[in-house]
Amino acid sequence: DVKVTQSSRYLVKRTGEKVFLECVQDMDHENMFWYRQDPGLGLRLIYFSYDVKMKEKGDIPEGYSVSREKKERFSLILESASTNQTSMYLCASSLMRGGTNEKLFFGSGTQLSVL
Amino acid sequence: AQSVTQPDIHITVSEGASLELRCNYSYGATPYLFWYVQSPGQGLQLLLKYFSGDTLVQGIKGFEAEFKRSQSSFNLRKPSVHWSDAAEYFCAVGARAAGNKLTFGGGTRVLVKP
Repeated sequence: DVKVTQSSRYLVKRTGEKVFLECVQDMDHENMFWYRQDPGLGLRLIYFSYDVKMKEKGDIPEGYSVSREKKERFSLILESASTNQTSMYLCASSLMRGGTNEKLFFGSGTQLSVL
Repeated sequence: AQSVTQPDIHITVSEGASLELRCNYSYGATPYLFWYVQSPGQGLQLLLKYFSGDTLVQGIKGFEAEFKRSQSSFNLRKPSVHWSDAAEYFCAVGARAAGNKLTFGGGTRVLVKP
């Protein structure tokens, strides 16, 4: 089965720090996504990518950037962490570009706390 | 823009009882609809999906969902819940016109009493 691996389960950072969240998938999927999950708000899309070096903004991109230098790896970057970015971050992947009906495969999540 | 509403934040059900989780969506054309489940400490897992055709969709773990266009709903059901069904459930809507992005509802947390 597809495996989506997020490098850290828990992270604690200070306000103003630059934070990197890493995600790797092992099934040659074209699409990769970053969501944040907050109680009562469900999952909200931050950024997604259909191909290497390609990125598109999701619904809440402010304060975030992404990098996809290799097909299997998709990084989320918080340029200057703030307390309102304390959240659970979920990475996901799916097989094909244009596959609206594609199943998403999710990682286990990274719980980020910004103090 | 597409949107999803899950009216129930928490539901408590006894083991062996039936379960129904509500989901209402807003989208101008025929949507693609999904239910995902998140067990404690886990990522999300797809339960079932609807694209077209038969409006009653069967999924994994004994779940089913029914698409009702007239009510803009896609409710999830299970006839008899097991303790392992305690989790958070998310409804999501996707559409090709929206650039393949999925929009998720706020989630419903299910607690199962022995």
